[in-house]
Amino acid sequence: ETGVTQTPRHLVMGMTNKKSLKCEQHLGHNAMYWYKQSAKKPLELMFVYSLEERVENNSVPSRFSPECPNSSHLFLHLHTLQPEDSALYLCASSQEPASGGFFSTQYFGPGTRLTVL
Amino acid sequence: TQLLEQSPQFLSIQEGENLTVYCNSSSVFSSLQWYRQEPGEGPVLLVTVVTGGEVKKLKRLTFQFGDARKDSSLHITAAQPGDTGLYLCAGTLSGYSTLTFGKGTMLLVSP
Repeated sequence: ETGVTQTPRHLVMGMTNKKSLKCEQHLGHNAMYWYKQSAKKPLELMFVYSLEERVENNSVPSRFSPECPNSSHLFLHLHTLQPEDSALYLCASSQEPASGGFFSTQYFGPGTRLTVL
Repeated sequence: TQLLEQSPQFLSIQEGENLTVYCNSSSVFSSLQWYRQEPGEGPVLLVTVVTGGEVKKLKRLTFQFGDARKDSSLHITAAQPGDTGLYLCAGTLSGYSTLTFGKGTMLLVSP
């Protein structure tokens, strides 16, 4: 596997289900991101992990719970979602300098298309 | 209010035509990136511009960063069906901020 992979590619879930999205990066990067892409809206940054520590959480509802067990893996745990949470969820990674900052190129996975019924 | 405004939102042209899409803001960006996203895939980086007035060329694509680093344009010469996709601009306000994306321009090039 190369680049950034995401599983599953498609997910349909009911509002009472619990599911998890998985992201794995094979690039040796030190930062990972979750984005939400909805129709007619710009990509919304949800969470950022740098060196396995969460450094940003953009007022995302608690029904989304990220987990970063190591620098190569990122999960997004989902529970009691709403239909408006249906979207394409994109994972990305980048190599950021030790001095801090997030201005490097981000490499995106193919996304998970989530539908909440 | 969008930090990055992209125009047009949608563009449908014939193969061989030229086109320009725009990314505008009232804020100054330390760097700006253009991505292309094809259906069912994640965005793929095309170019990064960091210097005001900078022009970069990638085959038939020409990218320009405004002198004041508030706007950018992407010009495609002799468009081909393979250019079809969603073109996203994204900027970094400072060296310590994450990327801010525009809504994108959906380009459809018909044979």
